Amino acid sequence: AQSVSQHNHHVILSEAASLELGCNYSYGGTVNLFWYVQYPGQHLQLLLKYFSGDPLVKGIKGFEAEFIKSKFSFNLRKPSVQWSDTAEYFCAVNAYTGRRALTFGSGTRLQVQP
Amino acid sequence: DGGITQSPKYLFRKEGQNVTLSCEQNLNHDAMYWYRQDPGQGLRLIYYSQIVNDFQKGDIAEGYSVSREKKESFPLTVTSAQKNPTAFYLCASSIVEGNTEAFFGQGTRLTVV
Repeated sequence: AQSVSQHNHHVILSEAASLELGCNYSYGGTVNLFWYVQYPGQHLQLLLKYFSGDPLVKGIKGFEAEFIKSKFSFNLRKPSVQWSDTAEYFCAVNAYTGRRALTFGSGTRLQVQP
Repeated sequence: DGGITQSPKYLFRKEGQNVTLSCEQNLNHDAMYWYRQDPGQGLRLIYYSQIVNDFQKGDIAEGYSVSREKKESFPLTVTSAQKNPTAFYLCASSIVEGNTEAFFGQGTRLTVV
């Protein structure tokens, strides 16, 4: 079974600071990787996804993530955060075969101070 | 508009009562999922279904039951056997074959009083 670890539980940044949120997964086979975001009072939305190909993927709102297979990592980055990025961020993985339901990490709460 | 509708948004239940949460989708997705969200624990899979009339237990199925009689609908019943039912419940759907993400509803916040 797959599992996902998010190491940063609560991150506080000032506007214009750079962001990197860690995500590691454990699974021996091929996986699809996702970052979802949950803004206060809103539903879970997809930020970006990786299925195959270029390991550097770009998502909405200036976010990007890099898949490093040797490290089982899929870290989320943004060069300059804004107050509107305040939200909870979830890394998720699903196996390419078998149970295709997403397995989520515990989430990282990002607070951006103006 | 295509999407996933969960109802109600807020639900209060007395201890010892069963309660059913509704989830409807018009995305023509075969797969549907129920997750439970608790602070600091992320989303945990309760049940999922990849086809009508079939469903599988997720990681925390005890105290919950589901049905999948129609493609569009996947209701979740929180039974009195669920020891700690107060939580935020999220329903999602996706296609089964191919690479795609899951789409989520707005969620139902259940409080046991």
